[in-house]
Parts: sequence; C-alpha cells; structure tokens
Amino acid sequence: AQSVAQPEDQVNVAEGNPLTVKCTYSVSGNPYLFWYVQYPNRGLQFLLKYITGDNLVKGSYGFEAEFNKSQTSFHLKKPSALVSDSALYFCAVRSGGYQKVTFGIGTKLQVIP
Amino acid sequence: NAGVTQTPKFQVLKTGQSMTLQCAQDMNHNSMYWYRQDPGMGLRLIYYSASEGTTDKGEVPNGYNVSRLNKREFSLRLESAAPSQTSVYFCASKLLGENTGELFFGEGSRLTVL
Repeated sequence: AQSVAQPEDQVNVAEGNPLTVKCTYSVSGNPYLFWYVQYPNRGLQFLLKYITGDNLVKGSYGFEAEFNKSQTSFHLKKPSALVSDSALYFCAVRSGGYQKVTFGIGTKLQVIP
Repeated sequence: NAGVTQTPKFQVLKTGQSMTLQCAQDMNHNSMYWYRQDPGMGLRLIYYSASEGTTDKGEVPNGYNVSRLNKREFSLRLESAAPSQTSVYFCASKLLGENTGELFFGEGSRLTVL
C-alpha cells in the first residue's frame, strides 16, 4: 500500500520569508511524486513533479521541491513567500507502472503580510 | 479546451435517493479518477479507471459505483445516498505514460445528503 504524510495542518510564514511544506511518502517500487495547490472553491492545480533525474525539481510560481530517497521525503519550498501563495497544498504519490494516485491530507499555507 | 467538466456543481439529496455525477474530459486522456474531499481527511480515492474498459476500487469505494462509458466519460453513482456521503467530489484525468502523470482536475461537485 502507498501513503503520504503531511505532518503539518497549517504553516504560517511572513511575506518575503522562505517557506517549506513537508511531505513524506511510502510506496513500493519507484516513487512518482507530485505537489498540487488548491484555492478556495476550486479544483486542484498541478505545481510540480518528480519522476526521475535531478533530485531538485522546479515548478510553477517559483516553487521547487527536493526528492530525498533516504528520508522518503519530498518537501515543497519557495525562497520568498507571497501573500497570494496562501492556499491548501497537497502532496501525492504513485508507484511507477501503476495508475493509482494517493494524496496527503493537505497543508494550509498562510502567508502573513 | 474545457479540460475536465463535472456536472452537477451542486446537489442536495435526501437519504436513500440515488444520483449520478458526470465527468467528461476533452484532453484525450487515458486514466480517470473520482476523489472525495472532506475536512481533515484530504482527498480520498473512490474509484479509478486506468484505461477505457477497466475500473478499480480506491480507498473508499463502499456505497459507490462507477461506469467508464467511453474514453471521455467516467460517471460516479450513489445508489442510496447516506449523510456520510456529504462531500465535495472531484473528477480528474491524466495521460497513461511513465514520464507524464500529473492529474487534471475538474472544479468539483458539492453534494449534501440530508
């Protein structure tokens, strides 16, 4: 069985400061990892993914994430937070060769002006 | 392109009533998914269809049925609605390929069961 843990229900950060949203995963086989963002009353939007290759992946809106195989983590980062980054962020995983995609419970990011 | 379209956007049912949530995608995607989102529970997979002609159970399939009508359409049916099925339902789709994999989501269907 595959699973995703997002240990923080909410992350608060001051505008202009760096932000990190944490994600750890458990999966058999090669992990395919994803981050999505959800704004109020909207569907989820894809931010970035790790499939293979460089452990540091860059995505939309200045976000990046680092794949760490030994720690089974895929934390989302941004060097300088914007108030408009305030939203709900989801980490997701699937195992290579399979199509089932499992999500974490989500982390609410609040950027304080 | 419309992307992933879900209907209806809002629905109120009484306990025991049935209904079908419709989902259609125009991106020629192979795989389609139904999730439900509840506060504190994140997104939980109900059913998915890896490709046309196949369906598989997810984490919370009880009380639901699905039909992959064709490559474009994937419907979710509640045969006898219960208050525990009050939720926001999301349909998603993606290409079938190892170097792809991101899901494209609809805007959601908000269901209330009284």
